[in-house]
Amino acid sequence: GESVGLHLPTLSVQEGDNSIINCAYSNSASDYFIWYKQESGKGPQFIIDIRSNMDKRQGQRVTVLLNKTVKHLSLQIAATQPGDSAVYFCAENDADSSYKLIFGSGTRLLVRP
Amino acid sequence: DSGVTQTPKHLITATGQRVTLRCSPRSGDLSVYWYQQSLDQGLQFLIQYYNGEERAKGNILERFSAQQFPDLHSELNLSSLELGDSALYFCASSVRDYNEQFFGPGTRLTVL
Repeated sequence: GESVGLHLPTLSVQEGDNSIINCAYSNSASDYFIWYKQESGKGPQFIIDIRSNMDKRQGQRVTVLLNKTVKHLSLQIAATQPGDSAVYFCAENDADSSYKLIFGSGTRLLVRP
Repeated sequence: DSGVTQTPKHLITATGQRVTLRCSPRSGDLSVYWYQQSLDQGLQFLIQYYNGEERAKGNILERFSAQQFPDLHSELNLSSLELGDSALYFCASSVRDYNEQFFGPGTRLTVL
């Protein structure tokens, strides 16, 4: 069940390696950012979020880095597992409407066994 | 399982028809959001309701409308359907505004 377009950038990593997924956001006034994971045929699943008063936040096996200077967000996944294979989206809040998330186009992560 | 439910899971209909998609938010969540995900446009925000009132609007077509009922479930109505409306439609909910959103499994709409 495809859920996103066929022209997604794809990151292929070896199982056990670390993965870094990057995202450039558009609005310098955005102050809340989220990473979602979407597996085939499922809805997006929350991974981790970060507010603009922070530049790093860690979760279980995941770290989000925020560089406001260059409007860049990254998601680091440690010891990548086959179950991490999915499409990953970053999202930023719309500064004009703090209730609306603007999603990036997504990156497909493929984990090689 | 996010706790957000959506029905139906799949919907196949013809151009010109009208359909209603239903969403039940997580228990305790007051905000409901609707998103459209198509192959060429990714996830697009449509509309948000908070405790029964419209809170924010995205690029929602005039042919589309939504509402949130007193029991907090929400419906998205799509009318005069066109082929280009074929997409996945997701509902998400959050406790309040400006919070982590939990997504439902989606409704796949196919317009023939």
